[in-house]
Amino acid sequence: NAGVMQNPRHLVRRRGQEARLRCSPMKGHSHVYWYRQLPEEGLKFMVYLQKENIIDESGMPKERFSAEFPKEGPSILRIQQVVRGDSAAYFCASSPGRTDSHGYTFGSGTRLTVV
Amino acid sequence: DAKTTQPNSMESNEEEPVHLPCNHSTISGTDYIHWYRQLPSQGPEYVIHGLTSNVNNRMASLAIAEDRKSSTLILHRATLRDAAVYYCIPVDYGGATNKLIFGTGTLLAVQP
Repeated sequence: NAGVMQNPRHLVRRRGQEARLRCSPMKGHSHVYWYRQLPEEGLKFMVYLQKENIIDESGMPKERFSAEFPKEGPSILRIQQVVRGDSAAYFCASSPGRTDSHGYTFGSGTRLTVV
Repeated sequence: DAKTTQPNSMESNEEEPVHLPCNHSTISGTDYIHWYRQLPSQGPEYVIHGLTSNVNNRMASLAIAEDRKSSTLILHRATLRDAAVYYCIPVDYGGATNKLIFGTGTLLAVQP
């Protein structure tokens, strides 16, 4: 039973390019959460999605960032026109739903470097 | 969201028990207490969670105060691999999103 898979593990982009980060949740999990961790800082919630729906995007920057979780395929976090300040580790977590019987499973993250 | 207070750092010796405290005095009745840890250069890892009763699993034990305003994560025999930042997070299963809100956590150092 594979865990949460994130790819790529490392991504280098030049300023102004687009970054696409993928997250495949655990089998049977339909809830995905994205977090960002800036260098030497804590984990910040970005967005919570269920299949084909954005439930809570209160932590997403208003511009350049978007997320989706289609019916088929992984969840995608998209950053357009990247800037140096977007350099960070991006983690996703998945859960089977809003029950009280489980924790959340995190992926190993994508480390984005903007040069 | 309930606020938490944890020591910034703690030290332990290998093979000794470690008690990591967390104060969450504003916790609501429907909040579960989750603990996660983050090893260097890795994603967060679920450790344990509970509501009112003490909980045990293969990784740790969770002792929850009777008034639920504090809890303690217990690592029974610390190993070098347990060196990590430990986060105590109240999660509201009665809310709309039950997202995890990470604080600054406790950096645990384990000495050989």
